Amino acid sequence: QLQLVQSGAEVKKPGASVKVSCKASGYTFTTYGINWVRQAPGQGLEWMGWISPYNGNTKYAQNLQGRVTMTTDTSTNTAYMELRSLRSDDTALYYCARDCDSGDSLDYWGQGTLVTVSS
Amino acid sequence: DIVMTQTPLSSPVTLGQPASISCRSSQSLVHSDGNTYLSWLQQRPGQPPRLLVYRVSDRFSGVPDRFSGSGAGTDFTLKITRVEAGDVGVYYCMQGTQFPFTFGQGTKLEIK
Repeated sequence: QLQLVQSGAEVKKPGASVKVSCKASGYTFTTYGINWVRQAPGQGLEWMGWISPYNGNTKYAQNLQGRVTMTTDTSTNTAYMELRSLRSDDTALYYCARDCDSGDSLDYWGQGTLVTVSS
Repeated sequence: DIVMTQTPLSSPVTLGQPASISCRSSQSLVHSDGNTYLSWLQQRPGQPPRLLVYRVSDRFSGVPDRFSGSGAGTDFTLKITRVEAGDVGVYYCMQGTQFPFTFGQGTKLEIK
């Protein structure tokens, strides 16, 4: 069945980088874009960006430009999100989510990866 | 960026009774292709979000017909005809008409 399985929780110090993975199965990976969405503790959802596994095209949220990089490895059907220069307010649950057929919503989600930034 | 505003932020509902959540966008969500890309997601406690409705009123696979979406332009509504215990959680509207995708603040549905 269709699944997005993310890597495990991470604890990082301020200024460090984190790279979260999202392994897709059950569909043709290159057919659907992958979005990354984060959720700070007790807060709402924040869209971080999108990548096309087909051609590597990306779109990033303005407030993360320069700190975030999204990539994919089509040989392993895995998407990655790297966030650099971590701050305490980057502490959040990070989700990957697949584009739906029309590319305008998010139909399947990973289980989430908790990233804690603390000195 | 398009700002999405939901009301109410909290909705206590009696089991078996209907519930309604509104979502307003700061600009029209009609895309240049003529479609309106407004969706609704449900997040149960401790779970990732789940897609309920996309393109204003299309129910996603497996979503009960108790859930329905409506609206046009900048004003949208999610209705639940008979609330069940499993409907407890936070509901988000989301626009996919233009990047960056943006979400409403969320509406917490709880049982009275």
